[in-house]
Amino acid sequence: DSGVTQTPKHLITATGQRVTLRCSPRSGDLSVYWYQQSLDQGLQFLIQYYNGEERAKGNILERFSAQQFPDLHSELNLSSLELGDSALYFCASSGLGGDTQYFGPGTRLTVL
Amino acid sequence: GESVGLHLPTLSVQEGDNSIINCAYSNSASDYFIWYKQESGKGPQFIIDIRSNMDKRQGQRVTVLLNKTVKHLSLQIAATQPGDSAVYFCAETGSNSGYALNFGKGTSLLVTP
Repeated sequence: DSGVTQTPKHLITATGQRVTLRCSPRSGDLSVYWYQQSLDQGLQFLIQYYNGEERAKGNILERFSAQQFPDLHSELNLSSLELGDSALYFCASSGLGGDTQYFGPGTRLTVL
Repeated sequence: GESVGLHLPTLSVQEGDNSIINCAYSNSASDYFIWYKQESGKGPQFIIDIRSNMDKRQGQRVTVLLNKTVKHLSLQIAATQPGDSAVYFCAETGSNSGYALNFGKGTSLLVTP
């Protein structure tokens, strides 16, 4: 158990819909990273937050957004969902930049 | 663009043998390298890491070697066990990317009895 929690574990929805994925980092970790894992693209970095502020952006679509709250949990919002958004979404947390990132169990999103 | 790649997509070894998984990276600015293990249905699990000021680092049954000259990283697993069967990913990062991880495609390790 990494100490990172993610909910829900599974999510099934329809095209055009909007969903919210939630992540709670390990106790004491200030950084949260979001990654998408798909069969054709592998594991790809989406976005990073540090202590409530956006720190780095990767290949994140404009339809996707995220935020980190004062209690340090983070949410990833996916809107106008398309079939191609079906993937595993992981969050990871670390203390400071350059510290080891520990991953949560992921949310499996299926868009029908 | 910069990329991290793995030489072999699949590796099959016998229980008790040593396993070596290789990884090439191309971003010379990377200064931190990590190996993760991912079992089916689970998130990536940290195995071992190495900073760019080191050539070798050992853990329990695992060793990571870093060759900065040829931008090559390897993971050695001693006395491979059936529980080691999983997909292994190398990842590289650095301060220039905000320490976001750039993952390779992954190598599937299958340990046969």
